[in-house]
Amino acid sequence: NAGVMQNPRHLVRRRGQEARLRCSPMKGHSHVYWYRQLPEEGLKFMVYLQKENIIDESGMPKERFSAEFPKEGPSILRIQQVVRGDSAAYFCASSPGQGYDEQYFGPGTRLTVT
Amino acid sequence: EDQVTQSPEALRLQEGESSSLNCSYTVSGLRGLFWYRQDPGKGPEFLFTLYSAGEEKEKERLKATLTKKESFLHITAPKPEDSATYLCAVPGGGNQFYFGTGTSLTVIP
Repeated sequence: NAGVMQNPRHLVRRRGQEARLRCSPMKGHSHVYWYRQLPEEGLKFMVYLQKENIIDESGMPKERFSAEFPKEGPSILRIQQVVRGDSAAYFCASSPGQGYDEQYFGPGTRLTVT
Repeated sequence: EDQVTQSPEALRLQEGESSSLNCSYTVSGLRGLFWYRQDPGKGPEFLFTLYSAGEEKEKERLKATLTKKESFLHITAPKPEDSATYLCAVPGGGNQFYFGTGTSLTVIP
């Protein structure tokens, strides 16, 4: 039973480029969450999606960041025109139901902006 | 406004030396408190969910307990492989989960 998969595991981008992070939830899970973790800081919620719907994006910066979870394929977190402050570990989690079920995390994508 | 506070930030134990980690929360209408373990360079690994005051759950050397304002993660006779960062999280008013900054546990052989 494959867990949550994320790719790439490591991503290096120059300032101004686009970063695209992918997340495939656990089998049978239709709820996906994205978090950002900065060194010495806790996990910060970014966005919550269900298939084809953004349910809550209150934690996502208003500009340059977007997320989608299409009917087919993985969830995508897209960061346009990256800046050095975007360097962080980005984690995806999935859950079987809405709201307060436990979330299962992927291994993360470590984004470095040079 | 902090929703979740964990203490201590770091804890060093000798192998076999039992201790407890604390997670205090301020959300009203608790809808679950979640404990995770995170190893360096990896994603958090789910450990426990607690839903009501007085509830306890155990897994190997770990036992989690819950009161109305805080949760404890008790570690009995820890081993070096228990070294990790332990995170707690609570659901907020919407769909957000609020995570604490974690307790970094080091168990020395």
